[in-house]
Amino acid sequence: QVQLQESGPGLVKPSQTLSLTCTVSGGSISSGGYYWSWIRQHPGKGLEWIGYIYYSGSTYYNPSLKSRVTISVDTSKNQFSLKLSSVTAADTAVYYCARASAITIFGVVIRGNWFDPWGQGTLVTVSS
Amino acid sequence: QSVLTQPPSVSGAPGQRVTISCTGSSSNIGAGYDVHWYQQLPGTAPKLLIYGNSNRPSGVPDRFSGSKSGTSASLAITGLQAEDEADYYCQSYDSSLSGWEVFGGGTKLTVL
Repeated sequence: QVQLQESGPGLVKPSQTLSLTCTVSGGSISSGGYYWSWIRQHPGKGLEWIGYIYYSGSTYYNPSLKSRVTISVDTSKNQFSLKLSSVTAADTAVYYCARASAITIFGVVIRGNWFDPWGQGTLVTVSS
Repeated sequence: QSVLTQPPSVSGAPGQRVTISCTGSSSNIGAGYDVHWYQQLPGTAPKLLIYGNSNRPSGVPDRFSGSKSGTSASLAITGLQAEDEADYYCQSYDSSLSGWEVFGGGTKLTVL
């Protein structure tokens, strides 16, 4: 079955760029039918969708984070990545990658749907 | 402030039935977008519990069920067990702004 694993620095300095990678195993990102997603959870708080990407490169972002977020995909490595710029302490959170089933209308993939499976999550702390 | 509203906490004794509500608006649940539910056990990643309002993934006990009506959705858990103690989140799509995935604030279920 498909498994996802996040990797990247656990500590980032304020104003710098947070960079994380999600490696997918047990399935190919290029096979289509899914959006590849980033979701975060602030300490002791709820879930916040950051955005997702289709293997073709089509992206959707949370409007509140859109100006600082870039999600990219590397199909040759079966990985997708998150970059969040100009971070502050408010970006301290556990970051999860997840697969979202794609919704298709008249053969056109339009957006993601439910998230399954999820990676185990990685804590990123923003601090000097 | 989450777009979808859930009660912060619910509780029940073993064997009882509890429900968790998820209230949205005309731009998300009320617009016909599906609702999905996740269970997050302490210290672990969320796990899909219900998708498409009322469908259970393989391996999820039939003690868990979901429903949707109007601008709200509900998760029901019957025959409560100690291992059901967890945080539960609803998720849907919101068509406001440029469209985005939204979660409820989460509900902590305590098994008494």
